[in-house]
Amino acid sequence: NAGVTQTPKFRVLKTGQSMTLLCAQDMNHEYMYWYRQDPGMGLRLIHYSVGEGTTAKGEVPDGYNVSRLKKQNFLLGLESAAPSQTSVYFCASSSLGLAGVYTGELFFGEGSRLTVL
Amino acid sequence: AQRVTQPEKLLSVFKGAPVELKCNYSYSGSPELFWYVQYSRQRLQLLLRHISRESIKGFTADLNKGETSFHLKKPFAQEEDSAMYYCALSGFTSGTYKYIFGTGTRLKVLA
Repeated sequence: NAGVTQTPKFRVLKTGQSMTLLCAQDMNHEYMYWYRQDPGMGLRLIHYSVGEGTTAKGEVPDGYNVSRLKKQNFLLGLESAAPSQTSVYFCASSSLGLAGVYTGELFFGEGSRLTVL
Repeated sequence: AQRVTQPEKLLSVFKGAPVELKCNYSYSGSPELFWYVQYSRQRLQLLLRHISRESIKGFTADLNKGETSFHLKKPFAQEEDSAMYYCALSGFTSGTYKYIFGTGTRLKVLA
């Protein structure tokens, strides 16, 4: 049982380049999230999804796009990378429990370290 | 506005000393409160949640709705407790589900 898997784990980009981070979960979770982690700022929510085909903006969505075409996958795209997007990106997922009661726990991937030069 | 505040970026204690990591929150409603931990080179994982009222690895946290706090405590710190700790809250606001983290506190337990 792999849980939440992120690819790639490391990437170096030049300013203006584009890339996509892939998050895959095998727990059949409805909710998926993308966070960025920066020193002194903790985890900040970029975008999230409450189900296949749906996405919503989080706290810091500018410069990012997401897609959830399949329930198990949540893609985070950077159309034109900027040095301010240098960060560690975490994907997480969670389930909606029985009768729609939220179970609460987030399951995280190992993180993807992105450097934009 | 919904917010989770962890006032300490770094907390250093000696082994065997009591530990208290502070967490205050602002939320209009009844949120669920959590503590997550990230050990070195490991992924973030749930440590405990307020609805479970359980003790994990000797840690406990009591939700104080009057003071809107959810401080994490352990009576005797161990070196293996050294890690990054995040307080988080979740809940529905205006039909939207939110999961918000604090900025984290790095705990260092000194030998």
